[in-house]
Amino acid sequence: KAGVTQTPRYLIKTRGQQVTLSCSPISGHRSVSWYQQTPGQGLQFLFEYFSETQRNKGNFPGRFSGRQFSNSRSEMNVSTLELGDSALYLCASSLTVSEGTQYFGPGTRLTVL
Amino acid sequence: GQQVMQIPQYQHVQEGEDFTTYCNSSTTLSNIQWYKQRPGGHPVFLIQLVKSGEVKKQKRLTFQFGEAKKNSSLHITATQTTDVGTYFCAGRGSARQLTFGSGTQLTVLP
Repeated sequence: KAGVTQTPRYLIKTRGQQVTLSCSPISGHRSVSWYQQTPGQGLQFLFEYFSETQRNKGNFPGRFSGRQFSNSRSEMNVSTLELGDSALYLCASSLTVSEGTQYFGPGTRLTVL
Repeated sequence: GQQVMQIPQYQHVQEGEDFTTYCNSSTTLSNIQWYKQRPGGHPVFLIQLVKSGEVKKQKRLTFQFGEAKKNSSLHITATQTTDVGTYFCAGRGSARQLTFGSGTQLTVLP
């Protein structure tokens, strides 16, 4: 079974731009969660989607948004990029919402200049 | 909100020595999970503990969940160079979201 895939793997943007990251979960998994990983803050929860609905949200500003499609694929968007948004963005899928093992993708490394 | 503290932040051990990392949650958890992230990689699930006082073993790794379901530990016996990486605990509380500890970065010296 294929694992979680994320595209793109690397991205360089400048301040003020916006970015969209994509995540395809493991086949059959309906829950997708997004995390931001930085050396200083560790793994911070962004949001979780299940059946196209946001079920949980972390403490991030409204510039961070996401959505999930009917095939469980998910996208996250960051608008008006700031230098501090530079991070590894990880997507994780699981069978059901708020339960069980999270299977992480390889991440998207975002650099904001 | 829920906080999960993890110590130590870094640990250097000689190959063959034991290693332990500890997690403490500010609130009671419904379960706790452990993940390992190799350098340059992504977190990989190791185990989930659900019951109060639960102890689980995976070869040289021993995981414990405290009686109050607020703390947990991971102990590695006789470390090997393949154990290198960052170990994260992640607790799920009443809000149902997974809160990760800050991780313990393990270096094993040959």
